[in-house]
Amino acid sequence: DAGITQSPRHKVTETGTPVTLRCHQTENHRYMYWYRQDPGHGLRLIHYSYGVKDTDKGEVSDGYSVSRSKTEDFLLTLESATSSQTSVYFCAISESDSSGEKLFFGSGTQLSVL
Amino acid sequence: GDSVTQMEGPVTLSEEAFLTINCTYTATGYPSLFWYVQYPGEGLQLLLKATKADDKGSNKGFEATYRKETTSFHLEKGSVQVSDSAVYFCALTLNAGNNRKLIWGLGTSLAVNP
Repeated sequence: DAGITQSPRHKVTETGTPVTLRCHQTENHRYMYWYRQDPGHGLRLIHYSYGVKDTDKGEVSDGYSVSRSKTEDFLLTLESATSSQTSVYFCAISESDSSGEKLFFGSGTQLSVL
Repeated sequence: GDSVTQMEGPVTLSEEAFLTINCTYTATGYPSLFWYVQYPGEGLQLLLKATKADDKGSNKGFEATYRKETTSFHLEKGSVQVSDSAVYFCALTLNAGNNRKLIWGLGTSLAVNP
């Protein structure tokens, strides 16, 4: 157990409203990631962070912003939710050893934008 | 660019059948290779990994061998169980400083019937 908690687990919202998803870790890992998972697309990286206040875009970052003011928390914000952002969102942390990347995932947030 | 291609699912097998899920990759440099598994309603978990050519990763009866000559990392299990029903993702990473991101296949769904 890598100590990752995502909240909320489920969220239903309306188009145009702001939404914030939270990822909390207890292991003090430097790297944190937000992915979305959609049928036919697999996992796609939205944003990632390599330290407090250090973030960078992934492949599908449009319409999303992130913040990391503390090591343990990584927030994903949809400023104005759209139906195309209906998805399952996963937070992950990385524990790197000499073999490369090894990710630990949270349980996911199911977001429905109506 | 770098990419991972997995066989399309769904794959449906009877209990105790032999499993192969194909994975091939395209990468510049020398990637590390991974298989992740996602059980229903959960996040992904690392199943096994291999870091260099001819390495064999193994876990829970699953195996995969890093074949540089065929750029493949096929997942195999000799006798599947109902509890192996899940989605399996092949992935690679190239060590590149702060740009620590995995490149994912689209996933292969496996259903094992009793």
